Amino acid sequence: NAGVMQNPRHLVRRRGQEARLRCSPMKGHSHVYWYRQLPEEGLKFMVYLQKENIIDESGMPKERFSAEFPKEGPSILRIQQVVRGDSAAYFCASSPPTGRTNTGELFFGEGSRLTVL
Amino acid sequence: AQSVTQLGSHVSVSEGALVLLRCNYSSSVPPYLFWYVQYPNQGLQLLLKYTSAATLVKGINGFEAEFKKSETSFHLTKPSAHMSDAAEYFCAVSGGLKAAGNKLTFGGGTRVLVKP
Repeated sequence: NAGVMQNPRHLVRRRGQEARLRCSPMKGHSHVYWYRQLPEEGLKFMVYLQKENIIDESGMPKERFSAEFPKEGPSILRIQQVVRGDSAAYFCASSPPTGRTNTGELFFGEGSRLTVL
Repeated sequence: AQSVTQLGSHVSVSEGALVLLRCNYSSSVPPYLFWYVQYPNQGLQLLLKYTSAATLVKGINGFEAEFKKSETSFHLTKPSAHMSDAAEYFCAVSGGLKAAGNKLTFGGGTRVLVKP
């Protein structure tokens, strides 16, 4: 499967625990985007990363949330000390670098659904 | 900065009837516009996109959309609904060539119910 891979698909955490969500972009894509979808709402941008760089984190909550995209391995969205309000679907998307191969859209994974008890 | 407004969070249509989903956008630069579909517990799949070429864009599954700059709209239509069209539809905008990366701003979504 050459698509965007996210895991785990479902994650249950108790309040105060940590959640780590992983995303492997499509082959040839070096840009990763994280979005959050709260129940009955649209997708809200969180963060845009390139390898080893955070480009735009304007949608990230100021506390408890962090993201990285290391030189090797998947992108990680980390939520510390989770609260019930963090329960949501977290989607990762990827795109190729700016240039001829980039046709403007994002390619989405199937999402990671976090439930906080 | 960009924003998207989708009129109607829920739309109900009869099988075989016209599907019309409304999307209005705001953008300070020439936009790229997108429609995505989301089936239950799945990710988003691109239906079609406008990237400054033809203003009438045809997509997958018989959907099309027309970019109207004067109305800042990008409404999605399908002449005849199928039961398989029941899903949630999202309109999105990006800054196109003026943007760094492909960051999309989404509307709130429209859930489509198809009645037999």
